[in-house]
Amino acid sequence: AAGVIQSPRHLIKEKRETATLKCYPIPRHDTVYWYQQGPGQDPQFLISFYEKMQSDKGSIPDRFSAQQFSDYHSELNMSSLELGDSALYFCASSLTGGYNTGELFFGEGSRLTVL
Amino acid sequence: AQSVTQLGSHVSVSEGALVLLRCNYSSSVPPYLFWYVQYPNQGLQLLLKYTSAATLVKGINGFEAEFKKSETSFHLTKPSAHMSDAAEYFCAVKMLQGAQKLVFGQGTRLTINP
Repeated sequence: AAGVIQSPRHLIKEKRETATLKCYPIPRHDTVYWYQQGPGQDPQFLISFYEKMQSDKGSIPDRFSAQQFSDYHSELNMSSLELGDSALYFCASSLTGGYNTGELFFGEGSRLTVL
Repeated sequence: AQSVTQLGSHVSVSEGALVLLRCNYSSSVPPYLFWYVQYPNQGLQLLLKYTSAATLVKGINGFEAEFKKSETSFHLTKPSAHMSDAAEYFCAVKMLQGAQKLVFGQGTRLTINP
């Protein structure tokens, strides 16, 4: 079965640089979520999109932005990177409308290291 | 806002022993509840979920959890631990209506001793 695909899996950037993470949700899933997991931390919700519109916003810094495109893939753009942005970034997708099974399906994550 | 609390950031058991990971939720309305497992350098995998059907939920890898409304708990158990169970376990909550995001607990690192 198709899963959530994230790219790149690993990314190394310098401070003040920009990074873009991509997420391809499970086909027919209508909602995409982004989470940030720092070292030894629980995943923190950043932002979500339902049918390409922002549906919820969490602790996402102003330096970060995200969008969902017409093909339902999503991108998380991070600018002016700081050391504290080093983390594992997860994308998840779910089916919210129609038959809602409740759970989110997570990708393998993109590990960002800021030097 | 809903939240979950996991009691014990580290739990260590012997191989073959009972595993008990505790999770309590705070919500006036019974929410959806989930347990996810995370192996080192990997993503989050769903172990099991409670979505207002049976209160005793069976998941993968021999794990199960019981929803107890009176105790606002959703503890995860496994009768006999295996070395491969060593991982980080997260309890998560999601409301039935409104915001669809998951809110995670702090996580419990399970260590299995030979």
